[in-house]
Amino acid sequence: DAGVIQSPRHEVTEMGQEVTLRCKPISGHNSLFWYRQTMMRGLELLIYFNNNVPIDDSGMPEDRFSAKMPNASFSTLKIQPSEPRDSAVYFCASRSREANTEAFFGQGTRLTVV
Amino acid sequence: DAKTTQPTSMDCAEGRAANLPCNHSTISGNEYVYWYRQIHSQGPQYIIHGLKNNETNEMASLIITEDRKSSTLILPHATLRDTAVYYCIDPTGANNLFFGTGTRLTVIP
Repeated sequence: DAGVIQSPRHEVTEMGQEVTLRCKPISGHNSLFWYRQTMMRGLELLIYFNNNVPIDDSGMPEDRFSAKMPNASFSTLKIQPSEPRDSAVYFCASRSREANTEAFFGQGTRLTVV
Repeated sequence: DAKTTQPTSMDCAEGRAANLPCNHSTISGNEYVYWYRQIHSQGPQYIIHGLKNNETNEMASLIITEDRKSSTLILPHATLRDTAVYYCIDPTGANNLFFGTGTRLTVIP
């Protein structure tokens, strides 16, 4: 397996534009996590899914952020409209349905909003 | 929210053992302690996890106290490539993975 795949690796966009980040979890994994990392706030859990259903989205900063998981092999994190303070590295992770297993992280998407 | 406490930073001489402590005093009886590390600019990488018995794998050893309120990650022979931020995680009952601030380990030549 190629691991968790995120795209794009880098994204530069202008303030006000819509941004969509993509994640392909490891095949067979049923939990998916979205994180945001900044120098100031560290690694923050935004939302996580179990069996494609959002379980906890309390970490989503505001209504401009939305996440979907239409099927077991794909998830998106959308920011609309984007703002400069959204600049960060966004990580996706997935985990097996087996109990007490580790999560695997993608390489992240570095987002810059200018 | 993170339920663990770790020192902010530590140094270790290359070739020596690195011992990274973590307090997880509110961990419940059936929750595992997980350790991850993050090397600059990369996604976090799983290292090891344990419930109550000491664990060892090819990367590290994990020593968990009998009361399970703290643990120590041991890198037996630290190399320069082990320089990273190390996170100790006590998952919540809902299987979330909350990361705290971690310990920044610097391996010194």
